Amino acid sequence: NAGVTQTPKFRVLKTGQSMTLLCAQDMNHEYMYWYRQDPGMGLRLIHYSVGEGTTAKGEVPDGYNVSRLKKQNFLLGLESAAPSQTSVYFCASRKAGQLSYEQYFGPGTRLTVT
Amino acid sequence: SQQGEEDPQALSIQEGENATMNCSYKTSINNLQWYRQNSGRGLVHLILIRSNEREKHSGRLRVTLDTSKKSSSLLITASRAADTASYFCATVVSGGYQKVTFGTGTKLQVIP
Repeated sequence: NAGVTQTPKFRVLKTGQSMTLLCAQDMNHEYMYWYRQDPGMGLRLIHYSVGEGTTAKGEVPDGYNVSRLKKQNFLLGLESAAPSQTSVYFCASRKAGQLSYEQYFGPGTRLTVT
Repeated sequence: SQQGEEDPQALSIQEGENATMNCSYKTSINNLQWYRQNSGRGLVHLILIRSNEREKHSGRLRVTLDTSKKSSSLLITASRAADTASYFCATVVSGGYQKVTFGTGTKLQVIP
């Protein structure tokens, strides 16, 4: 099992450009999450999905869109990148059901917006 | 605002010593989880403690939870250089979905 994978690993964008980050999981998990990690801020939830075809906003959703067309994939889109979106982005997934289920994280995507 | 705040922000110890890091939170929780993050990698789940538990052990890890003080501590005994990483607490509250909030982390350096 590959677990949770993210592509790309690194990306540099110019202000105003767009891009899509792909997250894929092979554990048949229902829930998927997108976080951003900034120095001194911990992880902040951007968007999440509790199942195929459903998405919802997290703590910091502005400037991002998501889609979950297939259960195993969760896409994060930046329509018009801004320097404030320079960050490391992590995807995570977990089983539905008990609140005690742990989250499994991908290796991250380091994004720089110039 | 952050649900979990960790203390200290950074910790440097010699191999073989014990490392203790603390997490404080603000609201009632269902459970609290600790994760480790090696440099440049994703987070890995270490241990979970439920709100009705006071102490949990897993190998060299010991977690305590004091719901009256809204705080938790993670103790790593007999530390090794491989324990060098950042450690995050994550609080889980009941709601429409699993609302998980991560703290700001403690950066642990274990010197060989």
